Amino acid sequence: KQEVTQIPAALSVPEGENLVLNCSFTDSAIYNLQWFRQDPGKGLTSLLLIQSSQREQTSGRLNASLDKSSGRSTLYIAASQPGDSATYLCAVSPPNDYKLSFGAGTTVTVRA
Amino acid sequence: DAGVIQSPRHEVTEMGQEVTLRCKPISGHNSLFWYRQTMMRGLELLIYFNNNVPIDDSGMPEDRFSAKMPNASFSTLKIQPSEPRDSAVYFCASSPTPTDTQYFGPGTRLTVL
Repeated sequence: KQEVTQIPAALSVPEGENLVLNCSFTDSAIYNLQWFRQDPGKGLTSLLLIQSSQREQTSGRLNASLDKSSGRSTLYIAASQPGDSATYLCAVSPPNDYKLSFGAGTTVTVRA
Repeated sequence: DAGVIQSPRHEVTEMGQEVTLRCKPISGHNSLFWYRQTMMRGLELLIYFNNNVPIDDSGMPEDRFSAKMPNASFSTLKIQPSEPRDSAVYFCASSPTPTDTQYFGPGTRLTVL
């Protein structure tokens, strides 16, 4: 069974600092990986999807990398803002499969 | 597009009562997922429909849980009878195809007293 771990569970940084969020998974076979954002009392919003054949994806201030050999992904958020405060979850799925295995998330607080 | 719509947003009920959660997926999406989120277990997939047909219900915890999708624009998740351990946030998500990005609704927070 796939196990997805996110460390740290919580993170607090001052505004402007770069954020580094980590995700690791036990089965490092070929996988797609997604990063989601969850705001309190709301659903999940997909941020980035890294296909199994890719090594990274970028969207604005967000960059996510995937290292299948080590079973790790990292989400970088540049120049953090208070609006980035949320819980960030990573989810892993086998290619051509709908089943997402979620990590517990990292709760980020960006202090103004 | 209004996104995935779920109702009610909050539900408080007493143990033993029947609970029905509702979901309207994004128009044109053929895949629909029901998830449950708790502090202890995180996000778990309960059931997955494709083209209105249940494909995988292996995550449904017990026979007390049932889900239907009578048409492409509506799905229900029913718990009968409800128990306090069913208290959680239930999310519905839809996607154009089974392996596309899933779009989540705002969730229903269920409290069973």
